[in-house]
Amino acid sequence: GEDVEQSLFLSVREGDSSVINCTYTDSSSTYLYWYKQEPGAGLQLLTYIFSNMDMKQDQRLTVLLNKKDKHLSLRIADTQTGDSAIYFCAELMDSSYKLIFGSGTRLLVRP
Amino acid sequence: NAGVTQTPKFQVLKTGQSMTLQCAQDMNHNSMYWYRQDPGMGLRLIYYSASEGTTDKGEVPNGYNVSRLNKREFSLRLESAAPSQTSVYFCASSEKAGRDTQYFGPGTRLTVL
Repeated sequence: GEDVEQSLFLSVREGDSSVINCTYTDSSSTYLYWYKQEPGAGLQLLTYIFSNMDMKQDQRLTVLLNKKDKHLSLRIADTQTGDSAIYFCAELMDSSYKLIFGSGTRLLVRP
Repeated sequence: NAGVTQTPKFQVLKTGQSMTLQCAQDMNHNSMYWYRQDPGMGLRLIYYSASEGTTDKGEVPNGYNVSRLNKREFSLRLESAAPSQTSVYFCASSEKAGRDTQYFGPGTRLTVL
């Protein structure tokens, strides 16, 4: 079945690293995405990773994929107050147009 | 480029009223999508249009209809609104359906009383 799970809430201090975790159940997913949603706004694509990759780095963002455990993580280095938002993990099903979203992790960055 | 635009931003309806949510994209994308977002849940796909002239049901199509008016525009219609349709609605587009990144509009917050 299709299911993407995330923890609901994460609180970190400014300057620390944040790690947001996601698990998915369908091994046929091809692409995995991280989106950011600020209050009252739409979803902004942060980064994505192909399912045949283990890691992708993009400035302060590092995505790690453990395909065996179906686990995806997003690490934000030197977290800033502007990073406070809801982060959604999503998987794209192979041979499908369906993007399956997790319920989102609310990141709170304390000064 | 404005990207994906949606109108209106907010709407309040009474049960049984109808309305159409509008979406347009200026990225020359082939595929467009309608999602709803409910508290504590991720986005769920209502309908999508893989290309101009085609539409298909997503996860939660009941109570909705869509029209792919042209390549740019994809509208979502509620014929007889129900309180269960209170939600935030997002439109998205991608270059083509499947493996291309989806880009989202700012959303329409709909309340049905």
